[in-house]
Amino acid sequence: AQSVTQPDIHITVSEGASLELRCNYSYGATPYLFWYVQSPGQGLQLLLKYFSGDTLVQGIKGFEAEFKRSQSSFNLRKPSVHWSDAAEYFCAVALTDSWGKFQFGAGTQVVVTP
Amino acid sequence: DVKVTQSSRYLVKRTGEKVFLECVQDMDHENMFWYRQDPGLGLRLIYFSYDVKMKEKGDIPEGYSVSREKKERFSLILESASTNQTSMYLCASSDTRAGGTDTQYFGPGTRLTVL
Repeated sequence: AQSVTQPDIHITVSEGASLELRCNYSYGATPYLFWYVQSPGQGLQLLLKYFSGDTLVQGIKGFEAEFKRSQSSFNLRKPSVHWSDAAEYFCAVALTDSWGKFQFGAGTQVVVTP
Repeated sequence: DVKVTQSSRYLVKRTGEKVFLECVQDMDHENMFWYRQDPGLGLRLIYFSYDVKMKEKGDIPEGYSVSREKKERFSLILESASTNQTSMYLCASSDTRAGGTDTQYFGPGTRLTVL
């Protein structure tokens, strides 16, 4: 069965420090992978996506993610966190053989301290 | 830019009421989705639609129904609201036709409270 795992429910990081959010997936076909961010009380905003090609993808707000097929991972990184990055982050895989349904991870809550 | 709008940001209803949540997208997308989001559970798919008048159950359809009479509009209906349906409801749309990228675009969400 398809699944997406975000091992870290909650991460606290200091402003200016680097951030890495982990995502592991289980999916038989070639995955389409996404990271979304949700600010408090808001909908989900797309940060970046991977379909094929270069395994290091750049997104908005200075985020990047690296697809590693051998590890079934798609980890999100940012070199220097800003206070405005405090939010919840969701990893998702598109089930391309099922009308584009998504399987979401449970989310990682990021807290940024001064 | 894709725009997905939801009829209400906040809604308060009483147990037993019939509740309608409306979602409209402006990008001619084939697919539309309704999710509920609860702390610690992430997003769970309630229903989705891949064409006008077509619908499929998601992971948690019990207590909900949907309607898609026009391509741009997808409604979620709570026939008889219950307190355990208090949640954040998110609508999304995507285009998976040839050349589509499967990216789902989300509305701002409706925070529903059932008293």
